[in-house]
Amino acid sequence: AQSVAQPEDQVNVAEGNPLTVKCTYSVSGNPYLFWYVQYPNRGLQFLLKYITGDNLVKGSYGFEAEFNKSQTSFHLKKPSALVSDSALYFCAVRDYTDKLIFGTGTRLQVFP
Amino acid sequence: NAGVTQTPKFRVLKTGQSMTLLCAQDMNHEYMYWYRQDPGMGLRLIHYSVGEGTTAKGEVPDGYNVSRLKKQNFLLGLESAAPSQTSVYFCASSFGQGKGETQYFGPGTRLLVL
Repeated sequence: AQSVAQPEDQVNVAEGNPLTVKCTYSVSGNPYLFWYVQYPNRGLQFLLKYITGDNLVKGSYGFEAEFNKSQTSFHLKKPSALVSDSALYFCAVRDYTDKLIFGTGTRLQVFP
Repeated sequence: NAGVTQTPKFRVLKTGQSMTLLCAQDMNHEYMYWYRQDPGMGLRLIHYSVGEGTTAKGEVPDGYNVSRLKKQNFLLGLESAAPSQTSVYFCASSFGQGKGETQYFGPGTRLLVL
């Protein structure tokens, strides 16, 4: 079955430090992976996606994600966290019917 | 462009009441989706549409109906609301449904059923 897992409910990081939000996936065939961010009382905003090509994908707001086929992971990263990055982050994967399957979300808290 | 908009932003219903949530997009997208978001469960697909006049069931369609009479609008109806339908509802749209297509989301409708 196609699935995506976000093993951490919450990630805490100090402003200025690097951040990582983890995502692992299970799909048959080539994976198509997405990251979305949800700010409080707002809808989901698209950050970046992996379709094919370079394993390091760059996206909006200075975020990037590293695709690792052997570890079936697609971790979201940022070199230097901002307090304004505090939000709920969702990883998603396309299933065999082309629907998006979402993870349960990881709350990122960046402390000043 | 406004993107994807949703009406209303917040609503309180009593059990058994009915209501319609409206989603509108101005990006000329063919595909539209309704999701619900519950704590600890991510987003789950309720219904979707691949074009004007078409609808299809998603993962959790029971208790909901949808209509896509115009390309830019996608309506989600609750005929007889139940407390289990308390949730945040998101509409999304995309140009296509290919593997790499990006879905764009509205701001959400928060629904409380008492």
